[in-house]
Amino acid sequence: GENVEQHPSTLSVQEGDSAVIKCTYSDSASNYFPWYKQELGKRPQLIIDIRSNVGEKKDQRIAVTLNKTAKHFSLHITETQPEDSAVYFCAASTRGGSQGNLIFGKGTKLSVKP
Amino acid sequence: KAGVTQTPRYLIKTRGQQVTLSCSPISGHRSVSWYQQTPGQGLQFLFEYFSETQRNKGNFPGRFSGRQFSNSRSEMNVSTLELGDSALYLCASSFGGPDTQYFGPGTRLTVL
Repeated sequence: GENVEQHPSTLSVQEGDSAVIKCTYSDSASNYFPWYKQELGKRPQLIIDIRSNVGEKKDQRIAVTLNKTAKHFSLHITETQPEDSAVYFCAASTRGGSQGNLIFGKGTKLSVKP
Repeated sequence: KAGVTQTPRYLIKTRGQQVTLSCSPISGHRSVSWYQQTPGQGLQFLFEYFSETQRNKGNFPGRFSGRQFSNSRSEMNVSTLELGDSALYLCASSFGGPDTQYFGPGTRLTVL
């Protein structure tokens, strides 16, 4: 089945710097890759997603890139702010068809120091 | 539009007991997926229901089961609880394809 590896497990940056989180997946049939942000005690919230027919997607300070050949995708956060501090999870759909479940990476705890 | 809701929010049980958790999806969503979240293992997929049928299942023992009703509400049951079942159980709903999943607030289960 699908396996998603996420690195790093913890990341500390200064406010205003950029943060990059990387994920690799194993199933070449996966075609949907969302990123979730989970603040302490709260539910995971989708922040951005990308499908396999797109190489890059941006939404203000957040961008995701996808390399299908290498089977990896990355989250880029620019001009980080203290409120970006949270755990970030990448995920991949297990199959390219109608399956609706996701396989998650282990998460990255991002700390943004003011 | 109301978000995904889960009940109860907190639950304390003892080993050997069973528990039923409930999830109400966003109106119009037909898929409900369940996940177990623990500090050591992260978010692990349990199973997914779509139109009252289990469509996919993760690597969990048969003690974990679920069902979905005609109104798309879903329940998850864990029988013969073990200490290791202590976790945050999250459900997520979507329209049904590999699309955006919206999570509920979770049920925090503690097994003593």
